[in-house]
Amino acid sequence: DAGVIQSPRHEVTEMGQEVTLRCKPISGHDYLFWYRQTMMRGLELLIYFNNNVPIDDSGMPEDRFSAKMPNASFSTLKIQPSEPRDSAVYFCASSFFRGRDQPQHFGDGTRLSIL
Amino acid sequence: AQTVTQSQPEMSVQEAETVTLSCTYDTSENNYYLFWYKQPPSRQMILVIRQEAYKQQNATENRFSVNFQKAAKSFSLKISDSQLGDTAMYFCAFMKQSGEAGANNLFFGTGTRLTVIP
Repeated sequence: DAGVIQSPRHEVTEMGQEVTLRCKPISGHDYLFWYRQTMMRGLELLIYFNNNVPIDDSGMPEDRFSAKMPNASFSTLKIQPSEPRDSAVYFCASSFFRGRDQPQHFGDGTRLSIL
Repeated sequence: AQTVTQSQPEMSVQEAETVTLSCTYDTSENNYYLFWYKQPPSRQMILVIRQEAYKQQNATENRFSVNFQKAAKSFSLKISDSQLGDTAMYFCAFMKQSGEAGANNLFFGTGTRLTVIP
């Protein structure tokens, strides 16, 4: 089975540009998570969805960040305008719940560099 | 709030030897899960092992096992017969039991960089 698929794998862009990161969760998973990994702050949750609905976005750093999940098989994380401090690795993860919590499965991440 | 602490930023072990990575956590929850994830240089986050807090028996997965001490809030990972492919960052993570509401997010430690020496 295919795992969580993220694109692009690397993104380099200039400050002020819009950045869109994409994620396809594992088929059948109804939870989707966006995490950010930096040297300073480690791994931290940005937002998560259940059945395409955002449940907790308290980790989204500011209004420049937005996330959507238009259907069960696709989600985007958008940064507009981007800033150098947004440089990080962004992970998408998915899981499901069937009367019992299941572990999250991660994509390979997108390394974002804002110049 | 939940916190996860990994006090060993870096460790090394000789190939075929055994190494233990430490993790402690702080929570007021009674039902929760603990995980170890491995992140090799390829950057993937790979689930290594999980432990449910209500289970007294320590989880094992082949060469990987945990020592779960609930009262002490300790959750160490033991890697036996270390292999070169075990070289990676290892993250300890905590997740509350969500009940009927569904999934909760993971709280991660800062990681331990493990190097297996040939």
